Amino acid sequence: RKEVEQDPGPFNVPEGATVAFNCTYSNSASQSFFWYRQDCRKEPKLLMSVYSSGNEDGRFTAQLNRASQYISLLIRDSKLSDSATYLCVVNTNAGKSTFGDGTTLTVKP
Amino acid sequence: DTEVTQTPKHLVMGMTNKKSLKCEQHMGHRAMYWYKQKAKKPPELMFVYSYEKLSINESVPSRFSPECPNSSLLNLHLHALQPEDSALYLCASSPRGPKDGYTFGSGTRLTVV
Repeated sequence: RKEVEQDPGPFNVPEGATVAFNCTYSNSASQSFFWYRQDCRKEPKLLMSVYSSGNEDGRFTAQLNRASQYISLLIRDSKLSDSATYLCVVNTNAGKSTFGDGTTLTVKP
Repeated sequence: DTEVTQTPKHLVMGMTNKKSLKCEQHMGHRAMYWYKQKAKKPPELMFVYSYEKLSINESVPSRFSPECPNSSLLNLHLHALQPEDSALYLCASSPRGPKDGYTFGSGTRLTVV
């Protein structure tokens, strides 16, 4: 079993749709959690940190469920510019990061 | 300055060549990283420097040699690479460690011929 698993998609949604991605992790000692977005042939860019209390940034909401060991990302009112690969990242207290394989989102007009 | 700058952006090298990749940040970040990314795969960690000391080497072959001359600079020296080493090499930094989140450079796209 992979340490971090994401549904690879692709998710193809119309503009204005709400879409949610999940990411499960196997190491219960994991300490910090992030979502990054990566556009084609570009570098990953930090989208959000993820906290147990949940956090929101505009149309984006991230949530951590420690009991079930997953994190989620919700995108409301999808825009064409949201099309990208979304990577979840899970860090242990040993200072190591594990990236999920990424979920590809395509938002269509 | 909130950027990580990598040079060159593209590099084609032969299997007998020696080349270096360079990375620079002026955000005062004390942790710097080299990642390797193949097409349609997530980044794979190669090396971590923490406070200018090598703290993690993910069993990377010796044909890759990292160097951290000071807190703002990170180099990756390449020698006798193989075609399978062709990839996007990403430098990243974070204030203290991974739990602070990464700022990635735009990468060096390396082709080994």
